Amino acid sequence: AAGVIQSPRHLIKEKRETATLKCYPIPRHDTVYWYQQGPGQDPQFLISFYEKMQSDKGSIPDRFSAQQFSDYHSELNMSSLELGDSALYFCASSSAEGQEIRYTFGSGTRLTVV
Amino acid sequence: AQSVTQPDIHITVSEGASLELRCNYSYGATPYLFWYVQSPGQGLQLLLKYFSGDTLVQGIKGFEAEFKRSQSSFNLRKPSVHWSDAAEYFCAVVPLSYNTDKLIFGTGTRLQVFP
Repeated sequence: AAGVIQSPRHLIKEKRETATLKCYPIPRHDTVYWYQQGPGQDPQFLISFYEKMQSDKGSIPDRFSAQQFSDYHSELNMSSLELGDSALYFCASSSAEGQEIRYTFGSGTRLTVV
Repeated sequence: AQSVTQPDIHITVSEGASLELRCNYSYGATPYLFWYVQSPGQGLQLLLKYFSGDTLVQGIKGFEAEFKRSQSSFNLRKPSVHWSDAAEYFCAVVPLSYNTDKLIFGTGTRLQVFP
């Protein structure tokens, strides 16, 4: 079965550079979420999109932006990178099935800022 | 404040011993409840979930969890732990009463298994 695809798997950037993370959700999943997980931390919600519109926003820095495209893939753009942005970034997609919600997480992109 | 609490940061058990990981939530209405497992540097794997109905939920890898409304808890259990169960375990909720479907995670419990 198709899963949530994230690219790249690993990314090394220098401070003040820009990074773009990509997420390809499961077909027919209508919502995409981005999470940030720092070292030894729990995943923190950044932002979500429902049918290509931003649906919720969490603790996402102003230096970050995201969008969902017509083919439903999503990109997280991160500018003026700081050392503290080093983390594992997860994308997830979901679909509502009756009274349940089915979430599927990607394997994550590990961003290292040096 | 609304939150998901995992009181145990780190638990160590011997292989073959039973396990219970605690999770409490504080939301007005019963949220959707999940348990995820994460090995170091890896992604999140869903163990089990609760939406409604039978309060004892069976998951993968021999795990089960029991929802107790009176205690606002959703504790994860396994009768006999294997060395491969060593990982980080996250309880997560979707707080339905807050018009959002994002997952909110607890701070996690690190499980260490000794032979």
